[in-house]
Amino acid sequence: DAGVIQSPRHEVTEMGQEVTLRCKPISGHNSLFWYRQTMMRGLELLIYFNNNVPIDDSGMPEDRFSAKMPNASFSTLKIQPSEPRDSAVYFCASSSLADSTDTQYFGPGTRLTVL
Amino acid sequence: GDSVTQMEGPVTLSEEAFLTINCTYTATGYPSLFWYVQYPGEGLQLLLKATKADDKGSNKGFEATYRKETTSFHLEKGSVQVSDSAVYFCASRETSYDKVIFGPGTSLSVIP
Repeated sequence: DAGVIQSPRHEVTEMGQEVTLRCKPISGHNSLFWYRQTMMRGLELLIYFNNNVPIDDSGMPEDRFSAKMPNASFSTLKIQPSEPRDSAVYFCASSSLADSTDTQYFGPGTRLTVL
Repeated sequence: GDSVTQMEGPVTLSEEAFLTINCTYTATGYPSLFWYVQYPGEGLQLLLKATKADDKGSNKGFEATYRKETTSFHLEKGSVQVSDSAVYFCASRETSYDKVIFGPGTSLSVIP
């Protein structure tokens, strides 16, 4: 299995631009998570989906952030408009609701820099 | 709500030293417990896990035992190597339908 795939791996953009991060979960997994990691705030859960349905988006910082999961094999996290304080590494992770061990698998992350 | 607390870092050890990273959790039920490791420039990866009380998870020389009575899941390794330098996250999860609760992470540096 290829694991969780994220694209792009690096993104540099200017303040005010729209940014779209993409994630392909492991095939067969039906839970998907978006995290943000910074030195100051550590690892933060932004939102997670079960069976393509958003379950908890309380971690989404503000209305500039939105996430979708149109099907079981794809999710996007969009920031519009982007701001310098959004600079961070964004991780996507997936897991299987049928996995009794509850293990979560992380992608390599997207490093976002907003100038 | 559920939470995970782990010892503050950074931790610096000499090669072959003994490692302990403390972790305690609060939960309403009986969660699964995990240690994840993040090497520089990479995503988190599962190091070991335990799904019920008294279970011991182990991998790559690391061990942790699920202690319900003390609500703890301390990570140990008898002899650390330079390649163990990373950030270690303790985590809990009630069920596969729930989110994972992560601790703040403990940075470990092992010097030759």
